[in-house]
Amino acid sequence: QKEVEQNSGPLSVPEGAIASLNCTYSDRGSQSFFWYRQYSGKSPELIMFIYSNGDKEDGRFTAQLNKASQYVSLLIRDSQPSDSATYLCAGPIGGGSARQLTFGSGTQLTVLP
Amino acid sequence: NAGVTQTPKFRILKIGQSMTLQCAQDMNHNYMYWYRQDPGMGLKLIYYSVGAGITDKGEVPNGYNVSRSTTEDFPLRLELAAPSQTSVYFCASSYSGEQFFGPGTRLTVL
Repeated sequence: QKEVEQNSGPLSVPEGAIASLNCTYSDRGSQSFFWYRQYSGKSPELIMFIYSNGDKEDGRFTAQLNKASQYVSLLIRDSQPSDSATYLCAGPIGGGSARQLTFGSGTQLTVLP
Repeated sequence: NAGVTQTPKFRILKIGQSMTLQCAQDMNHNYMYWYRQDPGMGLKLIYYSVGAGITDKGEVPNGYNVSRSTTEDFPLRLELAAPSQTSVYFCASSYSGEQFFGPGTRLTVL
């Protein structure tokens, strides 16, 4: 089993809707997770990280971590066409610290005007 | 700060040729990484370094070599290019957890 898995999508939502991106992980020892956004032809850029169980909000973005169920999610409220990109979930390789990351295969999000 | 820089942006190699992908960062980060990304896929770790003089293999190291003589630079060497190495290569650096990526090098091996 891959260490980090994402629902591969693609996902389409209308402008203004909530986009929900999900990721599961296999190592219960994993402490922290990262969400990266990657526009087509560009490099990944960090948008959120989360270390603690529960929710973390930053503007229109909310990251959720549920260690008991071993999933991480990213909610994008009031989705905009500029949010159209591939979203990569990343977690530490082999659990533990986040010095090395393993990435999911990404979820392609399209926000329709 | 330029952040993480990579050269070249694009390169076409013939099978069997060698080349070095350059990566530099000016953020004084100890940790540096090389990834490859194939179309529609996530990032796979090739090699990483925890500081000058220290490197280690990642998930897909075969066909590649690295060195880290300074904190700033982390070049990736392809010795005998193969079509399977056609990919986009990203270099990244990190101080604690979050990694910062360079713009990438698109490599085609024909």
